[in-house]
Amino acid sequence: GDSVTQTEGLVTVTEGLPVKLNCTYQTTYLTIAFFWYVQYLNEAPQVLLKSSTDNKRTEHQGFHATLHKSSSSFHLQKSSAQLSDSALYYCALNTGYQNFYFGKGTSLTVIP
Amino acid sequence: EAGVTQSPRYAVLQEGQAVSFWCDPISGHDTLYWYQQPRDQGPQLLVYFRDEAVIDNSQLPSDRFSAVRPKGTNSTLKIQSAKQGDTATYLCASSSDWGNYAEQFFGPGTRLTVL
Repeated sequence: GDSVTQTEGLVTVTEGLPVKLNCTYQTTYLTIAFFWYVQYLNEAPQVLLKSSTDNKRTEHQGFHATLHKSSSSFHLQKSSAQLSDSALYYCALNTGYQNFYFGKGTSLTVIP
Repeated sequence: EAGVTQSPRYAVLQEGQAVSFWCDPISGHDTLYWYQQPRDQGPQLLVYFRDEAVIDNSQLPSDRFSAVRPKGTNSTLKIQSAKQGDTATYLCASSSDWGNYAEQFFGPGTRLTVL
């Protein structure tokens, strides 16, 4: 079946250093959309990035991700982590007709 | 434009009690989702609607949970006899553009504690 896998449940990075959160997926659908959601403490998840185009880089708020259908991946990266980036991050797969699959989440902590 | 609203924000129950959660999606959004998010886990889909029709409720524990969206706008999720394992945040989300890979917009959630 369709699924999303996020590795590294807890990630700690020093402020100013790069960060990469991994996300891979499994699906039989050829046309898909992928999302990264961010959830700050005691708040609802909100969309950070979205992509449906293979091999096209998407950027927002200093984060970027590229959907690679060849490797079934949509990793989230940032070149310089900020203290305010500390949050939960979820990747989510949309296989069409609003059918969403969420990963289990990665908790990012940025330390001074 | 108003976002997704949910009430109540918090609920504390004893096992065996019933509780209802209410969600008002973004105006014009035809699709509405209910998720259960246990502490330190990702959202887990319970049920979703397109307009008033249930599209998928396969993950909804049907013996104790029920969800309705009678007019295709607001929705209610009810737990008949709560268990400690139901302790979680219940998130409602809505989206538009059925078939067009649109993003979901989440409400603030209802944090349920079952003692």
